[in-house]
Amino acid sequence: SQKIEQNSEALNIQEGKTATLTCNYTNYSPAYLQWYRQDPGRGPVFLLLIRENEKEKRKERLKVTFDTTLKQSLFHITASQPADSATYLCALVGGYSTLTFGKGTMLLVSP
Amino acid sequence: DVKVTQSSRYLVKRTGEKVFLECVQDMDHENMFWYRQDPGLGLRLIYFSYDVKMKEKGDIPEGYSVSREKKERFSLILESASTNQTSMYLCASSLPGEGTDTQYFGPGTRLTVL
Repeated sequence: SQKIEQNSEALNIQEGKTATLTCNYTNYSPAYLQWYRQDPGRGPVFLLLIRENEKEKRKERLKVTFDTTLKQSLFHITASQPADSATYLCALVGGYSTLTFGKGTMLLVSP
Repeated sequence: DVKVTQSSRYLVKRTGEKVFLECVQDMDHENMFWYRQDPGLGLRLIYFSYDVKMKEKGDIPEGYSVSREKKERFSLILESASTNQTSMYLCASSLPGEGTDTQYFGPGTRLTVL
């Protein structure tokens, strides 16, 4: 069956460092992969999408890579700030335009 | 900006009650979705709809039903609420055909069933 895995342990980093989050998937051949941010008690918010023919995508301090051979996406936040603290979810598209989400990784950026 | 609203942020109901959760989107999106989110289990799809009066079961439809009488509104119904339905419920919408299936979420309803 299709499976998406994100590191369940929280990632703690210091302000100014680069945070790197991992999303691994099995039994999928996705055309694209999405990343969302979720703050406590709120709905997820879309951040970035990367297509299978794109190796890398950037948006301000965010960078996403997509390796279809390794079946892995990496999500980087450079020059991290305490305001970046949140849970980050990756998602893959299924049938009828549904998305299957990973369980998310919590990022904690300390001053 | 897409706006997805949900009828309540917090709701407390008793076991056996019929519960209605309402979701409204203002961007003319065809697709609408209901999820529940529980610690350690992530987001799980309950039902979705790709058109008015159309509905499809997601991964965990048992104990739930849905209604979509108008394009902008998608309702989740708990026919007889049980304590194991205590959860955060999230509604989302998306526009098919734009090639991204980006979903826009509402703020969520935290439902407690006593």
